[in-house]
Amino acid sequence: SQTIHQWPATLVQPVGSPLSLECTVEGTSNPNLYWYRQAAGRGLQLLFYSVGIGQISSEVPQNLSASRPQDRQFILSSKKLLLSDSGFYLCAWRPVGGLYGYTFGSGTRLTVV
Amino acid sequence: QKEVEQDPGPLSVPEGAIVSLNCTYSNSAFQYFMWYRQYSRKGPELLMYTYSSGNKEDGRFTAQVDKSSKYISLFIRDSQPSDSATYLCAMSEGAQKLVFGQGTRLTINP
Repeated sequence: SQTIHQWPATLVQPVGSPLSLECTVEGTSNPNLYWYRQAAGRGLQLLFYSVGIGQISSEVPQNLSASRPQDRQFILSSKKLLLSDSGFYLCAWRPVGGLYGYTFGSGTRLTVV
Repeated sequence: QKEVEQDPGPLSVPEGAIVSLNCTYSNSAFQYFMWYRQYSRKGPELLMYTYSSGNKEDGRFTAQVDKSSKYISLFIRDSQPSDSATYLCAMSEGAQKLVFGQGTRLTINP
């Protein structure tokens, strides 16, 4: 069966520090991968998605970047965090051609102080 | 106008009540409709999915789609305190990206 792992679960970082969040998927090949941010009281905001290794599409211009160095690995990064980067970050995957929904990871709660 | 509109609530009902959660949308090309449940500090989990119009039932949950009105609903019968969560609707044209509603926070009071 397929599983998605996301870490760390919580993170407190100072303003201006770098960020690296990692997501891996097991039990499938060539998944579509997604990074979402969920701010308090707000919906899910799609940040990046990837349909293959090295293929990244950005939905919202911002202080973040994403990379997909391996088929089942998706990384969210920042060189210098801003206070506004605080939020709940979710990784998700979907099979290629999948029609019904994503499977989400357990999320990372990031607080920038 | 947002593509998908969902009343954020919060919604508070007594245990055993029937709950109705709703979303409206503007894109008539949407064909695949989903409901996610998200417990506090957890990732959303897929609860139900439907294709096109009609009803789908799964235990105490019923998903309803009315494409003519661009309106989808999730009904929860005999609501339980364990149903307390945020419920997000989501939809897509096909294998494209999902578009999510804002989520409705639901509390079932014992």
